[in-house]
Amino acid sequence: QVQLQESGPGLVKPSQTLSLTCTVSGGSISRGDYYWSWIRQPPGKGLEWIGHIYYTGSTFSNPSLKSRLTISVDTSKNQFSLKLISVTAADTAIYYCARYEEPAILDVWGKGTTVTVSS
Amino acid sequence: DIQMTQSPSSLSASVGDRVTITCRASQTILSYLNWYQVKPGKAPNLLIYAASILQSGVPSRFSGSGSGTDFTLTISSLQPEDFATYFCQQSHSSPFTFGQGTRLEIK
Repeated sequence: QVQLQESGPGLVKPSQTLSLTCTVSGGSISRGDYYWSWIRQPPGKGLEWIGHIYYTGSTFSNPSLKSRLTISVDTSKNQFSLKLISVTAADTAIYYCARYEEPAILDVWGKGTTVTVSS
Repeated sequence: DIQMTQSPSSLSASVGDRVTITCRASQTILSYLNWYQVKPGKAPNLLIYAASILQSGVPSRFSGSGSGTDFTLTISSLQPEDFATYFCQQSHSSPFTFGQGTRLEIK
């Protein structure tokens, strides 16, 4: 059974870079049936689709974040990652990674990791 | 972007109640609508995809319906483990947007 686990710092200073990694276990990230996604939920708000990546490195980023966002994949480690630059308090959220099956069905999720942007 | 509007934003109900949550899209999304259950500290759970298809392992008291712009999630008889927040999500076109959530609380 595929499982996903987010990891990374829980606290990031304003203007710095938020970096998270999602480790996939129980299945290969290189399996061509799936994309690998990031989603976030700010406190008291709904979910926001951040972006997703295919194992080949092809990515989609939400236009609202595109200028600050990089999503990458490391098939040798069965991981994919998110980097968000120039963060502000508005980037404070629970960040989830998830497996995406066409058409954009998120069928397996990680438990999420809370990231707070604060000095 | 396609806007997804859920109602109600919160709901109080009792064990055994029948509950319906609605989701409306700002334009037609055919049947590209998914429902998720989210509990604090737990991995979100896919309940329904393609508007009405029950995900494997999800209890049959959950059902979904609708097409076009209007959709519903129904829980036929609430169980204690169903108290959570529910989100709809359109998978018709990117960016794939979510509703703002419906928090289901114990009455």
